[in-house]
Amino acid sequence: DVKVTQSSRYLVKRTGEKVFLECVQDMDHENMFWYRQDPGLGLRLIYFSYDVKMKEKGDIPEGYSVSREKKERFSLILESASTNQTSMYLCASSQDSLSNQPQHFGDGTRLSIL
Amino acid sequence: GQNIDQPTEMTATEGAIVQINCTYQTSGFNGLFWYQQHAGEAPTFLSYNVLDGLEEKGRFSSFLSRSKGYSYLLLKELQMKDSASYLCAVRPANNKLIFGAGTRLAVHP
Repeated sequence: DVKVTQSSRYLVKRTGEKVFLECVQDMDHENMFWYRQDPGLGLRLIYFSYDVKMKEKGDIPEGYSVSREKKERFSLILESASTNQTSMYLCASSQDSLSNQPQHFGDGTRLSIL
Repeated sequence: GQNIDQPTEMTATEGAIVQINCTYQTSGFNGLFWYQQHAGEAPTFLSYNVLDGLEEKGRFSSFLSRSKGYSYLLLKELQMKDSASYLCAVRPANNKLIFGAGTRLAVHP
């Protein structure tokens, strides 16, 4: 079974802090994704990566950056946290760009910015 | 623009059948996924459709009509553990996934 592990289930930070969310997958997947999930809005893609050191902006990249130095690890960075970034953050991975490959999700990090 | 619509909430009775609809408008189409998400947990993959028709997997089936931009997830012999959110997601031409807001299903005795 694919295992996607996010470093924290719950996190509380202060406005202006730099925040790191970490994600590790154990199935040698090429693609990794970061989403945020808000009530009534569904999952929205922040950034994704299709290879080491490669990244592409998703639909809502403003205020975020990412890092993929190793294939198994994909980090989301909030450069200067703001209260509107309080949300559930979900990491996902998929095998490759073949259309029928599902994304596998981690359990999520519920981030609160005070 | 790209859009996926599904009902916000549904209720059903244990043992019954429920159909959750999803309509979509996207730039290109490379498949439609259904995920189940229990409260506080990760979404888990249920089904994938890329051709028109019905895909059956145990108590769950998923249907696709590409010409109508329409899919449904059919859950039979409902159990209490089926109470969850069901997410419809479409892969358009660029191979990212676009998610609907999800349908929260409550199964009651």
